[in-house]
Amino acid sequence: SQQGEEDPQALSIQEGENATMNCSYKTSINNLQWYRQNSGRGLVHLILIRSNEREKHSGRLRVTLDTSKKSSSLLITASRAADTASYFCATATSGTYKYIFGTGTRLKVLA
Amino acid sequence: DTAVSQTPKYLVTQMGNDKSIKCEQNLGHDTMYWYKQDSKKFLKIMFSYNNKELIINETVPNRFSPKSPDKAHLNLHINSLELGDSAVYFCASSKTTGTSETQYFGPGTRLLVL
Repeated sequence: SQQGEEDPQALSIQEGENATMNCSYKTSINNLQWYRQNSGRGLVHLILIRSNEREKHSGRLRVTLDTSKKSSSLLITASRAADTASYFCATATSGTYKYIFGTGTRLKVLA
Repeated sequence: DTAVSQTPKYLVTQMGNDKSIKCEQNLGHDTMYWYKQDSKKFLKIMFSYNNKELIINETVPNRFSPKSPDKAHLNLHINSLELGDSAVYFCASSKTTGTSETQYFGPGTRLLVL
């Protein structure tokens, strides 16, 4: 089964609200990345958090990582209509070259 | 300038045909990837090349054959196309093979097999 699973599958919020999405994974990881995919486009890297980090910020993004629970969350503060996209977590299992992507959270921000 | 480009963007073809998708990156990266994204948006790695050498070869039917003529190009040839091959295929690149590397994705090739 897939390594990363995002929750919720879909999320609809009003502009200005915060959006939180979660990712759970199964095995030990080196790091975890979050990517955004706008409709009909390729994925764009947002942020990477290493296994020895607990929290990381980048602009309006805040990512947390709890390796004991094998989970991560992505918080987008003060959301904008332009944040409407699918968000994927990607985990890199220790000792491998490859990232495993989850099925994503589809975020819709209503203006 | 487009960092990772793919051609064609759309591909509609009949079952049983053979088709190729091309990918080029101008980022000077050593590592390139092919991913398949199905209708449920699940993104699965298929292949990865590092400096023209195959390093990841997932459980993919041998009808799929990647080819890397140089480290800036990674093509995907698919023989005897089947209905289940319909998906979006993404090419990506990263500086090296390290799993701390950011992957840069192309715009995708939407393949529809009729």
